[in-house]
Amino acid sequence: DGGITQSPKYLFRKEGQNVTLSCEQNLNHDAMYWYRQDPGQGLRLIYYSQIVNDFQKGDIAEGYSVSREKKESFPLTVTSAQKNPTAFYLCASSTWTSGSYEQYFGPGTRLTVT
Amino acid sequence: GDSVTQMEGPVTLSEEAFLTINCTYTATGYPSLFWYVQYPGEGLQLLLKATKADDKGSNKGFEATYRKETTSFHLEKGSVQVSDSAVYFCALSENRDDKIIFGKGTRLHILP
Repeated sequence: DGGITQSPKYLFRKEGQNVTLSCEQNLNHDAMYWYRQDPGQGLRLIYYSQIVNDFQKGDIAEGYSVSREKKESFPLTVTSAQKNPTAFYLCASSTWTSGSYEQYFGPGTRLTVT
Repeated sequence: GDSVTQMEGPVTLSEEAFLTINCTYTATGYPSLFWYVQYPGEGLQLLLKATKADDKGSNKGFEATYRKETTSFHLEKGSVQVSDSAVYFCALSENRDDKIIFGKGTRLHILP
């Protein structure tokens, strides 16, 4: 089955530690995205990558870093510089289908930092 | 810049009621419009889309019509079920690149 996997589903860290969230896709999509979701705020774009070895900052990139060494993988590192890292993180990929770009989402990782 | 505005929730309805969730957009070009659904603890799933004016997207009993004159894409369903309880996101894409702009989401509760 093609899709996007994110692991783990729940992640707990102590303040001051960096943590890396995994995102893997087998859809052969070029573009991948990371979003942060907080209650009542919808989705906010952190980083996106449209091709291997290239990525751009989204609206809230401060305190986060990414890499795109392989087409299938787009890991997100939440650094200790992120002031409020507790949130639900969603990874997505996109492709052109039936007249528009469509985004496909993974199941998400809920990160709790205490 | 481009934006999407949708009605604030939560919206609470009884089973078999008629549903409307309003969505309006601002865009410079001719965007494609989407509704995504997020069930509790999960990622978003594409529910339906429309790529040009007057198109109607439909799926699982939900419908939305792309109204250019009113810049709207309201989501409707004739008879909701408890299993429709979720958060619904309206979104647009200008199709210049593959970025999608999302509304803030509307939480829907259906009571049995």
